[in-house]
Amino acid sequence: DAEITQSPRHKITETGRQVTLACHQTWNHNNMFWYRQDLGHGLRLIHYSYGVQDTNKGEVSDGYSVSRSNTEDLPLTLESAASSQTSVYFCASSVQVNTEAFFGQGTRLTVV
Amino acid sequence: GENVEQHPSTLSVQEGDSAVIKCTYSDSASNYFPWYKQELGKRPQLIIDIRSNVGEKKDQRIAVTLNKTAKHFSLHITETQPEDSAVYFCAACFPGAGSYQLTFGKGTKLSVIP
Repeated sequence: DAEITQSPRHKITETGRQVTLACHQTWNHNNMFWYRQDLGHGLRLIHYSYGVQDTNKGEVSDGYSVSRSNTEDLPLTLESAASSQTSVYFCASSVQVNTEAFFGQGTRLTVV
Repeated sequence: GENVEQHPSTLSVQEGDSAVIKCTYSDSASNYFPWYKQELGKRPQLIIDIRSNVGEKKDQRIAVTLNKTAKHFSLHITETQPEDSAVYFCAACFPGAGSYQLTFGKGTKLSVIP
């Protein structure tokens, strides 16, 4: 079955380190997104992509970057991890911009 | 950009009662309004959605209504069951040219008391 998977599921890293979270989908969806979820803030959009070589900044993009070299993957990189980036990160994909978004299982990142 | 306000932040109901969650949005160009359910420790999953050319949509015990003039939409759950306990998120999609934003509300934690 087609799916969307994130790795790792849990990660602890130190302040200042570069961290990359992986997202892989097998639906062949053009649209992929990264959200962070924090208590009291809901889901906030970090970056999104409409297709290969396309990336766009979302509401809370500072300190994050993405790249889209193929349809299946949208890795999220924290250039220099900060404690404020401790959060649960969700990747999602959709076939069109205004259709159902399918979410990955989430990655819980702790920056110490 | 789009701004989505969601109320209440927490809601407790007795099993069998109805639950209503309300959202307002700011951009009149928004045309797609999904609702997601997130159980504890799980990923958000779509439960129902509505488009701007429709005023109401039902799926068994769940219904969503949309008032475009007032820019608000609501989720209605009837005959609530313990398994309905979760966090519910509304969202609005603003289809700007060359850009896309699915903006979420901050969520409502629904507790159904047996």
